[in-house]
Amino acid sequence: EAGVVQSPRYKIIEKKQPVAFWCNPISGHNTLYWYRQNLGQGPELLIRYENEEAVDDSQLPKDRFSAERLKGVDSTLKIQPAELGDSAVYLCASGSRTRVVNEQFFGPGTRLTVL
Amino acid sequence: TQLLEQSPQFLSIQEGENLTVYCNSSSVFSSLQWYRQEPGEGPVLLVTVVTGGEVKKLKRLTFQFGDARKDSSLHITAAQPGDTGLYLCAGGDSGYALNFGKGTSLLVTP
Repeated sequence: EAGVVQSPRYKIIEKKQPVAFWCNPISGHNTLYWYRQNLGQGPELLIRYENEEAVDDSQLPKDRFSAERLKGVDSTLKIQPAELGDSAVYLCASGSRTRVVNEQFFGPGTRLTVL
Repeated sequence: TQLLEQSPQFLSIQEGENLTVYCNSSSVFSSLQWYRQEPGEGPVLLVTVVTGGEVKKLKRLTFQFGDARKDSSLHITAAQPGDTGLYLCAGGDSGYALNFGKGTSLLVTP
């Protein structure tokens, strides 16, 4: 079974530039999550999707961050414009609603550096 | 938000030693998961515990969920360099949210 795929793995941009991250979840997983992980910290949830619906985006800085999950499969997370403080690893995870407990499976992440 | 505190924050030991890391909260969780994250990679799920007092073993790793489902511990016997990584605990509520601790960074030297 293929895991969660993310691209790009690394991205370096200058501040005020836009950037986008892509995620392909595990086949059949209805739930998709985007997390941000700062150095030395645990992942922090940005947004959670159930199929194509964003059911929890309370932690997403909506002035500059946006996300979409068209057709309930792949998802993109965008930042526009990026700020220095956005430098972090952006993780995508997926899970299945059929499971009793909330087990999440993570992709390798995209390491963003904003200069 | 249900806060999870992990201790110690950093741990450096030699190969062959035993260690225990802790995950504590004042909140009750419906489930608790442990992940290991290696540099440059995403977290990898190690185990899920659901029942208070539950003990699960994964080779040299022993996981325990507290009786009140508010805390958990991870014990590693005879640590090896391959155990090096960031150990994260995450508590689940009745929905689909997971709250992560800040992790314990473990370094095992030969």
